Amino acid sequence: QKEVEQNSGPLSVPEGAIASLNCTYSDRVSQSFFWYRQYSGKSPELIMSIYSNGDKEDGRFTAQLNKASQYVSLLIRDSQPSDSATYLCAPFTLSYSSGSARQLTFGSGTQLTVLP
Amino acid sequence: GAVVSQHPSRVICKSGTSVKIECRSLDFQATTMFWYRQFPKQSLMLMATSNEGSKATYEQGVEKDKFLINHASLTLSTLTVTSAHPEDSSFYICSARAHKWGDEQYFGPGTRLTVT
Repeated sequence: QKEVEQNSGPLSVPEGAIASLNCTYSDRVSQSFFWYRQYSGKSPELIMSIYSNGDKEDGRFTAQLNKASQYVSLLIRDSQPSDSATYLCAPFTLSYSSGSARQLTFGSGTQLTVLP
Repeated sequence: GAVVSQHPSRVICKSGTSVKIECRSLDFQATTMFWYRQFPKQSLMLMATSNEGSKATYEQGVEKDKFLINHASLTLSTLTVTSAHPEDSSFYICSARAHKWGDEQYFGPGTRLTVT
């Protein structure tokens, strides 16, 4: 089982629609969760962090966290062509590749395309 | 705030030579810096974690003698790829974390290395 799982996509939505990105993680004691946006050929940019169960809204972005289900999602309202990018889910989790160290563990990302 | 720079942004070198990449936190003191590598169409892979004044902690499968990391100050970390080979060609990205931001990490713009 992968530590962080995301639908790879590609996910296509029309301009103005809501884009819904999902992520599940395996570490039950993760407390911090982050969404990064990565444009092609660029480095990741932090867009949302969430620490408590429920919803957190920031502009057009809403992060949702359900620790019991080990599930975190990102909703993008009124999607714009400029939102077209790969979205990376990154819980702060126990990484099996580094022994007992806790660190950001990235999913493989969901590629989002917003069609004009 | 939270600006991380990298230099150079692109480098082309011949097989067998060494390349040094610098990562700087410009407006904060980074307690921890991270080095990632990303191959085309793949997710970020953590290579190593470094704390100022300490030896870096490398992930499984990353050769510490090949990828030398120096974290000389709270604002500067360097990655040296020694005896580079074409298979080392990749996008190398650093990130930094500060205590005041908890688990949040901010990424530099990345360095694209091509070994010919």
